[in-house]
Amino acid sequence: AQRVTQPEKLLSVFKGAPVELKCNYSYSGSPELFWYVQYSRQRLQLLLRHISRESIKGFTADLNKGETSFHLKKPFAQEEDSAMYYCALTSGSRLTFGEGTQLTVNP
Amino acid sequence: DAMVIQNPRYQVTQFGKPVTLSCSQTLNHNVMYWYQQKSSQAPKLLFHYYDKDFNNEADTPDNFQSRRPNTSFCFLDIRSPGLGDAAMYLCATSRDLGQSYEQYFGPGTRLTVT
Repeated sequence: AQRVTQPEKLLSVFKGAPVELKCNYSYSGSPELFWYVQYSRQRLQLLLRHISRESIKGFTADLNKGETSFHLKKPFAQEEDSAMYYCALTSGSRLTFGEGTQLTVNP
Repeated sequence: DAMVIQNPRYQVTQFGKPVTLSCSQTLNHNVMYWYQQKSSQAPKLLFHYYDKDFNNEADTPDNFQSRRPNTSFCFLDIRSPGLGDAAMYLCATSRDLGQSYEQYFGPGTRLTVT
């Protein structure tokens, strides 16, 4: 069975500090991993996917198959990054989400 | 703007009283999904439609049904809501099935069962 674990429910950093949101997964095949974000009073939306290998809003995430991790990183956090972040794994059409990490960036 | 719309945003129903949640999309996507998200938990897929083909998740209770009368609309019916069904219900769409297709989410309907 596929499973996504986000060990931190809450994460608080100061503006300008580096931030890393942890995600570990278990899946027997070749997964595709995503990060979704939900800003306050907005809908859940895709932030980035591992296959694209791109940086979105300064965030990057590298898939580490050896450690089965897909941690989300940003070198300098901004206040507007405060949001709920969900790591997700897909096989076929099914998205399996982690429980989310609430990131707060303090001024 | 093309989007996924859910009505109502907040729904209160009584224990055991059938309730229907609505989702519509202007994206003309083939696939529509329903997720249940309980407080502080991950969104959990209930079922999805690929065009008219209905696909139920194995652990979705029989109490939950869905209808998709046309491409644009999809409904979630809860036949006899229990207190444990109080949750946020998220509708999502994707252009097609498969890992490479992004899912677009609606704002959700928060269901309260009294």
